[in-house]
Amino acid sequence: DGGITQSPKYLFRKEGQNVTLSCEQNLNHDAMYWYRQDPGQGLRLIYYSQIVNDFQKGDIAEGYSVSREKKESFPLTVTSAQKNPTAFYLCASRGWERGLYTEAFFGQGTRLTVV
Amino acid sequence: RKEVEQDPGPFNVPEGATVAFNCTYSNSASQSFFWYRQDCRKEPKLLMSVYSSGNEDGRFTAQLNRASQYISLLIRDSKLSDSATYLCVVEDAGNMLTFGGGTRLMVKP
Repeated sequence: DGGITQSPKYLFRKEGQNVTLSCEQNLNHDAMYWYRQDPGQGLRLIYYSQIVNDFQKGDIAEGYSVSREKKESFPLTVTSAQKNPTAFYLCASRGWERGLYTEAFFGQGTRLTVV
Repeated sequence: RKEVEQDPGPFNVPEGATVAFNCTYSNSASQSFFWYRQDCRKEPKLLMSVYSSGNEDGRFTAQLNRASQYISLLIRDSKLSDSATYLCVVEDAGNMLTFGGGTRLMVKP
């Protein structure tokens, strides 16, 4: 079955550590996105990529980095520069069909906690 | 002012009730609109797209008012399983999605 997979589901980070969240999709989608969700709030865009080897900052990119070396993969690194990283991180992808983007498909999310 | 605003609720309704949510958006150039459903601690999933003429999918009806820049979601005959957070999503001319903060619905027996 096609889908988008995030791992791990739960992640604990110590102060000052960098951690990398994985996102893989087999939907053949060109566009991939990383969002952050805090309790009781909507999704905020961290980074997005519309094509391999290219990505753009979203609204809250500070303290995060990404790469897009393969179409299927869009990992997110939460660096020590991110002062408040505890949140629910969601990866999404969208395809391009008949001149329009498809709906956004989401992975199951990674819940990151700083300990 | 937030780009996409929703009443956070919660809306507490009995089974069988009809409930409506509104969402306002600030970008008049927005081109596409969606309602997503998010269950507790899960990922959002598309509930329905919102078309200019309004559209219905079973018990769910979505409407768009471009002049007043709001969209609505009506749920008829509420079920316990409808309990979730409903996210209003707006797509701009650059194909970027902006999410509202969500409206929480709790359907009680």
